[in-house]
Amino acid sequence: TQLLEQSPQFLSIQEGENLTVYCNSSSVFSSLQWYRQEPGEGPVLLVTVVTGGEVKKLKRLTFQFGDARKDSSLHITAAQPGDTGLYLCAGLNYGGSQGNLIFGKGTKLSVKP
Amino acid sequence: KAGVTQTPRYLIKTRGQQVTLSCSPISGHRSVSWYQQTPGQGLQFLFEYFSETQRNKGNFPGRFSGRQFSNSRSEMNVSTLELGDSALYLCASSLDPRWIGPGANVLTFGAGSRLTVL
Repeated sequence: TQLLEQSPQFLSIQEGENLTVYCNSSSVFSSLQWYRQEPGEGPVLLVTVVTGGEVKKLKRLTFQFGDARKDSSLHITAAQPGDTGLYLCAGLNYGGSQGNLIFGKGTKLSVKP
Repeated sequence: KAGVTQTPRYLIKTRGQQVTLSCSPISGHRSVSWYQQTPGQGLQFLFEYFSETQRNKGNFPGRFSGRQFSNSRSEMNVSTLELGDSALYLCASSLDPRWIGPGANVLTFGAGSRLTVL
């Protein structure tokens, strides 16, 4: 069974602070996705990273895929209350009993004003 | 375009009962996947349907079943409910799973059906 470990599990910070969320595995993935889930809603795709070493920026969010395609990070600069939510990483793994996408358990972020 | 619609949004059942959840995918999406989300286990894959056929199944007991109709709408059923079945059940739709171009393997989730088993 492939696993994606996310850390930290919980993160509570003040508005304006920076933070980094990590997603690690011993397995290689062909691509990795990041989703954000707000209370009462389903996860929404933020980004897909495909190439080892790839860095993608989405406004104040920076996503990086590890060179070996086993890990990824999400860095948020100057966090805002609107960034509050559950951040999930998902590695692409075709077929298998876990489905095409292996999800981490998520990092629950709370940004206080 | 309309998103993924799941019904009902909330429901309460008692042990031993059965429940059916419905999912209408985004127009044009032909693949539907179901996930169970709990605080302790995160998102766990239940099954995936494409063209009315189950393509993949997770490690859940046979009490969990699903189907897909010709219009790509899907339903999942849980029989003989247990307390541990209390969870948020998420449906996600995607393009043809055989597609490897842009948008491949991107899931669009519904808001979920929150099931409480008493």
